[in-house]
Amino acid sequence: LAKTTQPISMDSYEGQEVNITCSHNNIATNDYITWYQQFPSQGPRFIIQGYKTKVTNEVASLFIPADRKSSTLSLPRVSLSDTAVYYCLVGDDDYKLSFGAGTTVTVRA
Amino acid sequence: SAVISQKPSRDICQRGTSLTIQCQVDSQVTMMFWYRQQPGQSLTLIATANQGSEATYESGFVIDKFPISRPNLTFSTLTVSNMSPEDSSIYLCSVGGAGNIPPYEQYFGPGTRLTVT
Repeated sequence: LAKTTQPISMDSYEGQEVNITCSHNNIATNDYITWYQQFPSQGPRFIIQGYKTKVTNEVASLFIPADRKSSTLSLPRVSLSDTAVYYCLVGDDDYKLSFGAGTTVTVRA
Repeated sequence: SAVISQKPSRDICQRGTSLTIQCQVDSQVTMMFWYRQQPGQSLTLIATANQGSEATYESGFVIDKFPISRPNLTFSTLTVSNMSPEDSSIYLCSVGGAGNIPPYEQYFGPGTRLTVT
């Protein structure tokens, strides 16, 4: 499993866009990039998954450059309820999820 | 999607005792997983529980300490045996393989917060 590196924490304000970059220099050809969100006192929740280029859903966008050695999760116009820990995971078509330290995003009013 | 419930939601236990945590899913799923999340830390996979076979444990976790049952496709239990304060953690179950959901998209229960005194 490729190791991931992401910032420990990020602060933002309501209405701003938050971009979290994850480094995964050793990503393998078969690996996907997946992001989870975890609110306090809850289990993680799947946000988005991608392989290359850009993926967008109702929650976030995921940008993946051509070399796939990094990826950026973009949260548009965050609100206080987006305060959570965001995990970047890299792995192939395997059910085992390997969680790193995650990024604690704090949104302030 | 899948809805997962866990019982108990929290418990305070004395050292040396055991606690069994239940995980119930609202649909049949192939894969169930048990994780541990120590205070302020990330999640660590304990084991994979597939119905009809023995659980597969990750490095550092053994069956004698964390016996797991998976009697059917909607239910699993994790027992934390002979507890010590170091076992104080949040224990979470997750599921994968429900319908056409890809393996990297798992659904997690709310967790069981265990405190060992």
